[in-house]
Amino acid sequence: NAGVTQTPKFQVLKTGQSMTLQCAQDMNHNSMYWYRQDPGMGLRLIYYSASEGTTDKGEVPNGYNVSRLNKREFSLRLESAAPSQTSVYFCASSESFEANYGYTFGSGTRLTVV
Amino acid sequence: TQLLEQSPQFLSIQEGENLTVYCNSSSVFSSLQWYRQEPGEGPVLLVTVVTGGEVKKLKRLTFQFGDARKDSSLHITAAQPGDTGLYLCAGNSGGSNYKLTFGKGTLLTVNP
Repeated sequence: NAGVTQTPKFQVLKTGQSMTLQCAQDMNHNSMYWYRQDPGMGLRLIYYSASEGTTDKGEVPNGYNVSRLNKREFSLRLESAAPSQTSVYFCASSESFEANYGYTFGSGTRLTVV
Repeated sequence: TQLLEQSPQFLSIQEGENLTVYCNSSSVFSSLQWYRQEPGEGPVLLVTVVTGGEVKKLKRLTFQFGDARKDSSLHITAAQPGDTGLYLCAGNSGGSNYKLTFGKGTLLTVNP
């Protein structure tokens, strides 16, 4: 089925470990996004890529890096995981960065940092 | 930073009841979207409204964008257990800032 695929679905890290969350979309969308969702905080934008070859910081970028590998793939890297990064991470894509296009979300990665 | 306030935060009703949830802001949005999120899944887009006063219907769901484009409502008629989920509104202010800002959501439970 067409959509946004995230891997892994679950991950437990020790403080200080690093990892990369993978995201791929097969809808030929230009724009991709990484959000984190925490209880009581809602969805917060970490980084986004308006188009292939560009990336920009969102609302909560500290502790993260991203790579827009190609038009399909947008990865999120935690260089040195901290307990505060325990969250559910969602990747999303949209046809264009300009509004009114809806976002298609992946099913999420549940990350626990101990 | 534009804020979207959603109310109520939690809502538990019986099957067959009607309900309305609200999304309010002090900022003007060029468009507003509603999503539904089920446990363990990502949000799924329900509708986009772009014109002040616009009303859109999706089966038993009715969405309205306020005349001033600062608020929106979602009305569900004869709710069913399958409507259970987290309802999120999201807006963007357009111009040079197209990033979506999400509200914290309304968690709806429809009991059989």
